[in-house]
Amino acid sequence: DTAVSQTPKYLVTQMGNDKSIKCEQNLGHDTMYWYKQDSKKFLKIMFSYNNKELIINETVPNRFSPKSPDKAHLNLHINSLELGDSAVYFCASSQGDGANVLTFGAGSRLTVL
Amino acid sequence: RKEVEQDPGPFNVPEGATVAFNCTYSNSASQSFFWYRQDCRKEPKLLMSVYSSGNEDGRFTAQLNRASQYISLLIRDSKLSDSATYLCVGRNSGNTPLVFGKGTRLSVIA
Repeated sequence: DTAVSQTPKYLVTQMGNDKSIKCEQNLGHDTMYWYKQDSKKFLKIMFSYNNKELIINETVPNRFSPKSPDKAHLNLHINSLELGDSAVYFCASSQGDGANVLTFGAGSRLTVL
Repeated sequence: RKEVEQDPGPFNVPEGATVAFNCTYSNSASQSFFWYRQDCRKEPKLLMSVYSSGNEDGRFTAQLNRASQYISLLIRDSKLSDSATYLCVGRNSGNTPLVFGKGTRLSVIA
């Protein structure tokens, strides 16, 4: 059983489209995250949710909207995709929002053409 | 200046070699440090925490120098399977998010 699973694994789309990436964890963790890893391999946090509540919202365009229907799920919706959105998006989870050990999903590689 | 900085490498070393990576951090308030490992096209995974007194896990040794604001990772007797990108990670305090460096790429060659 995959602990943190995200879908789709690959996503190729045109500029201007809207797309979603889904994430689910079966570890019973109460905190989930979205990280973005760009072409320069820099892994940067975007959002963090603890028990379905948004606790971290870094400087991310408001075209990105996370949604946590329950503490096991954190989805990411992106409107009006731009070329610069091309990256690998990693979902992660932890027990507690101050945890040091994050369990990452396998990543979703988004390519915007 | 990035909060956590690393030499991106690549470090190309023969099997059996000892290799060391350094990482510097800019925020003196940083409290906790870690090394994560990321294989090519895979997700990052925790390798080890870094304690003030230094700590060892098998062939891996991590050290923290607060005065000079750097941490290090030493790998002894390198194996082919050690080839990966090693991410230096810090946290300021409390519930602030982990801050990742860009990583140092290691290639161990037969």
